Amino acid sequence: EIVLTQSPATLALSPGERATLSCRASQSVSSYLAWYQQKPGQAPRLLIYEASNRATGIPARFSGSGSGTDFTLTISSLEPEDFAVYYCQQRRNWPPWTFGQGTKVEIK
Amino acid sequence: EVQLVQSGAEVKKPGDSLKISCKVSGYSFTSYWIGWVRQMPGKGLELMGSIFPGDSDTRYSPSFQGQVTISADKSITTAYLQWTRLRASDTAMYYCAGGAALFDYWGQGTLVTVSS
Repeated sequence: EIVLTQSPATLALSPGERATLSCRASQSVSSYLAWYQQKPGQAPRLLIYEASNRATGIPARFSGSGSGTDFTLTISSLEPEDFAVYYCQQRRNWPPWTFGQGTKVEIK
Repeated sequence: EVQLVQSGAEVKKPGDSLKISCKVSGYSFTSYWIGWVRQMPGKGLELMGSIFPGDSDTRYSPSFQGQVTISADKSITTAYLQWTRLRASDTAMYYCAGGAALFDYWGQGTLVTVSS
């Protein structure tokens, strides 16, 4: 089973700052990596698929990069609505299409 | 408009059986995987398993193999997650999700509470 490790666990930033979130896979997942955002009391929302493609309706301040084992989600300038938990997920290997443990982006 | 509409919250006792549903509309139900995701209180996302409704190919994550059953009814574009004997540790929010990028779209979640 591929293990995804996200870092940091918590990121405390102010609105307008740049957020850089990391997801590292225990073995190569090629570009088969997605990022999701989850706000309290809501279902997750797809942000990025295949490592670097923004999903429909996702603002350009969200970008994804990486391949193989190291991936990054960047939020160029944090808006108030961006404070949430972010998860990565791989779909390279089954079983299963694992999720990372999440990174919480909180207001500093 | 794509919608995944899940059945309502459930309160059950340990040992009870349960089947929750996920009604899909707005995209080709038989063309993409549907997954079931568990989120225990205050915790992260865990993929329990997935089904490809086109041919009913069903796969379970090792932690959930034998614990639940995933199924789908193409005629009514609905996926299901079923337990035969619930435990208190099954208390969680359960989401269905689907789409071409695996999980483009998500249901609103079904809260299952198991308590004596």
